Amino acid sequence: EAEVAQSPRYKITEKSQAVAFWCDPISGHATLYWYRQILGQGPELLVQFQDESVVDDSQLPKDRFSAERLKGVDSTLKIQPAELGDSAMYLCASSLAPGEAGTKETQYFGPGTRLLVL
Amino acid sequence: GEDVEQSLFLSVREGDSSVINCTYTDSSSTYLYWYKQEPGAGLQLLTYIFSNMDMKQDQRLTVLLNKKDKHLSLRIADTQTGDSAIYFCAGTGGTGRRALTFGSGTRLQVQP
Repeated sequence: EAEVAQSPRYKITEKSQAVAFWCDPISGHATLYWYRQILGQGPELLVQFQDESVVDDSQLPKDRFSAERLKGVDSTLKIQPAELGDSAMYLCASSLAPGEAGTKETQYFGPGTRLLVL
Repeated sequence: GEDVEQSLFLSVREGDSSVINCTYTDSSSTYLYWYKQEPGAGLQLLTYIFSNMDMKQDQRLTVLLNKKDKHLSLRIADTQTGDSAIYFCAGTGGTGRRALTFGSGTRLQVQP
């Protein structure tokens, strides 16, 4: 069964350092999402891609976070500089297509990257 | 935007049925979803229901949707210790928005 891949699974860094997370969606999935999940809460959207284009980054703290999906396949999320409050689980999800009524919009999640900022 | 509320904790005995409840504010979601999260893991899609349905059954899982009251529930029959996890309901909500809005999750504890 196809899965969303993420790496690394765990990352410990010091504040003010740069960190990067990688996601490889299910093959053929045009839409890719990055969510952040703070301990004890549900995931919240950071950025949504349709192919290589950003379609929603309204909740992305753009002063320190950046995301790219250059070839419309895998994606990288970067934080620079990291702050203590960035400690969270970063989840990547993908779906076949957005905006269509049907199971094509069902999102499948990767295992996540757990970030600890010291 | 969408607001999704869930109770925080549910404890049941093995073999009993579990019912996890969720309320939402935006009725424009085409689908409503239930995800399961085990400790330190990502989210596993359990089931979903189309917004024009009242009920969906999938093996031990039954989803009920009351659109009038904006209430969604997940019933797990014959609950097992392996069902212990956090359960999230989610909807898309909002015109043109396809990212999911999640509740805060319900921790299900199954006692042997």
